Amino acid sequence: DQQVKQNSPSLSVQEGRISILNCDYTNSMFDYFLWYKKYPAEGPTFLISISSIKDKNEDGRFTVFLNKSAKHLSLHIVPSQPGDSAVYFCAASEVVSNQFYFGTGTSLTVIP
Amino acid sequence: GAGVSQSPRYKVAKRGQDVALRCDPISGHVSLFWYQQALGQGPEFLTYFQNEAQLDKSGLPSDRFFAERPEGSVSTLKIQRTQQEDSAVYLCASSLWGLAISYEQYFGPGTRLTVT
Repeated sequence: DQQVKQNSPSLSVQEGRISILNCDYTNSMFDYFLWYKKYPAEGPTFLISISSIKDKNEDGRFTVFLNKSAKHLSLHIVPSQPGDSAVYFCAASEVVSNQFYFGTGTSLTVIP
Repeated sequence: GAGVSQSPRYKVAKRGQDVALRCDPISGHVSLFWYQQALGQGPEFLTYFQNEAQLDKSGLPSDRFFAERPEGSVSTLKIQRTQQEDSAVYLCASSLWGLAISYEQYFGPGTRLTVT
């Protein structure tokens, strides 16, 4: 059973606008969340993370929001750039575990 | 510096063949993870090493899958008697510490296995 879900397989956004990627999870024990970015033929690269004690974390153009009661997190990219075009995976873990659970990914296309 | 490398990048195997996939983690990284990524899916955890000790192999799908890291650096994932459902990208990731301390994993480019 998929514990982390990304229900939008793809998203297209105009350059300069905001990209919002969503992720839902089912396991209330998850307390650490990450976003990874993946280009074709490369492995995922870490983008940004958030722990369950926070509801927002910002790093430059990237902001992750966590809503624990809704078991929902989102990644905002502002402004979007063509180089942001990639597949984005969210992942979740329990602090005592060595396992990450990944979503199925959202393919973002930023149109110049 | 050098990242995580994996070889081969592509492997085609006939059903029933054995394959061995290699991972060279970042030098000095204590933790090493193997993931399987089927087409259109996210990576799924297979197994975890801390140095040479395999601490978690709960994600290995069958006893045909075997992983080792004998000297605490290079790791090999072996699949015996490959089946078509084994076709996937196999990702290796390393981390300086265990996940309880540092959550940042560095991924290799993966090995795409196709079983015909």
